[in-house]
Amino acid sequence: DTAVSQTPKYLVTQMGNDKSIKCEQNLGHDTMYWYKQDSKKFLKIMFSYNNKELIINETVPNRFSPKSPDKAHLNLHINSLELGDSAVYFCASSPGRGNTIYFGEGSWLTVV
Amino acid sequence: GESVGLHLPTLSVQEGDNSIINCAYSNSASDYFIWYKQESGKGPQFIIDIRSNMDKRQGQRVTVLLNKTVKHLSLQIAATQPGDSAVYFCAEVWDTGKLIFGQGTTLQVKP
Repeated sequence: DTAVSQTPKYLVTQMGNDKSIKCEQNLGHDTMYWYKQDSKKFLKIMFSYNNKELIINETVPNRFSPKSPDKAHLNLHINSLELGDSAVYFCASSPGRGNTIYFGEGSWLTVV
Repeated sequence: GESVGLHLPTLSVQEGDNSIINCAYSNSASDYFIWYKQESGKGPQFIIDIRSNMDKRQGQRVTVLLNKTVKHLSLQIAATQPGDSAVYFCAEVWDTGKLIFGQGTTLQVKP
């Protein structure tokens, strides 16, 4: 009964490939997020969706494209992967703006 | 600006002692703050939160203090246990929904 679940947990892929990370939340929340954690553990927001609508889009390369088919799902597609994309990507959700944000367990992406 | 800082990168305490982790934030307009705990290989886990109309909030073995005058936040953990070993992040929530994290403090509990 994981609240925010994301797959895959580990992903090793070659430079230039295209990959997707999927996220689902069963909390009934309206807002979902993607965060990136670098090797120094710094967490930075990438995107946020509210009821399938993009509301936050940080300075992220166009190779990253989020997609929200419904408010319980927010997937992250990455084109033409680069070495610098190696990081841990966290999906999160919250009831709405200004509320607690709950995180998934992370997806470890390694680009070789 | 968008920055939330923690004063110490690593804190080492003896089991049973109290731990205090500090955080300074820069956005005086922020009105909601959260402390997260991240264990190795896992996602950030909510510990406790506080809104700007409060100075102190207590949970089970944890207390968060907020000093808006100096834009300072602290997390106190009573009777620290080995299971408390983790990286702790403070974060401020903007009304846009954006959550701005600090760089994290690693808490090491010595048996």
